[in-house]
Amino acid sequence: AQKVTQAQTEISVVEKEDVTLDCVYETRDTTYYLFWYKQPPSGELVFLIRRNSFDEQNEISGRYSWNFQKSTSSFNFTITASQVVDSAVYFCALSGRSSNTGKLIFGQGTTLQVKP
Amino acid sequence: DGGITQSPKYLFRKEGQNVTLSCEQNLNHDAMYWYRQDPGQGLRLIYYSQIVNDFQKGDIAEGYSVSREKKESFPLTVTSAQKNPTAFYLCASSIDQQGSYEQYFGPGTRLTVT
Repeated sequence: AQKVTQAQTEISVVEKEDVTLDCVYETRDTTYYLFWYKQPPSGELVFLIRRNSFDEQNEISGRYSWNFQKSTSSFNFTITASQVVDSAVYFCALSGRSSNTGKLIFGQGTTLQVKP
Repeated sequence: DGGITQSPKYLFRKEGQNVTLSCEQNLNHDAMYWYRQDPGQGLRLIYYSQIVNDFQKGDIAEGYSVSREKKESFPLTVTSAQKNPTAFYLCASSIDQQGSYEQYFGPGTRLTVT
């Protein structure tokens, strides 16, 4: 079975603080893909990043960075110097190659509130 | 602009009525998906289609139906058999049928049934 766990339901920080959103996944596939999406109050999911299971390099994009560790089955997301516009629900998702459907398994989401 | 459109943004229906949610994409993607989101929860897959004239049930297909007559369009019908239809519905599409690439989402339709 495949599963994604985002243990942090809600996080509240003050602007300019760094914040890390945790994501732990379970899968028996050797080939799989991990994703992060942002859902602002408008509701539309915005794609942030995709990682395949063979690429454990960390990635940085501006204030965003991602730490993928297969040894702990984690794909954590860090926002540096958070801003009010970062306030949203963030979802981690998994797609296993064996399903052959493209189906995404989503975590429950973490609501991030950045206060001015 | 390329993207996915869903209409309407808000939809209100009386219990016992069927309702159809629209989803259109001009990204030339083969795969399309319908998800349901309930408050405080992640997304759950209702139906998906990897190619025109073919679709498969997802995890919570009961009470829903779909069609895929054109590549660009994947409408979802919420039937009166769906016991708890009030939710936020999101349509997505992907260039890849097997999950190797990201899915792009529409703005969603918020359905309220009373």
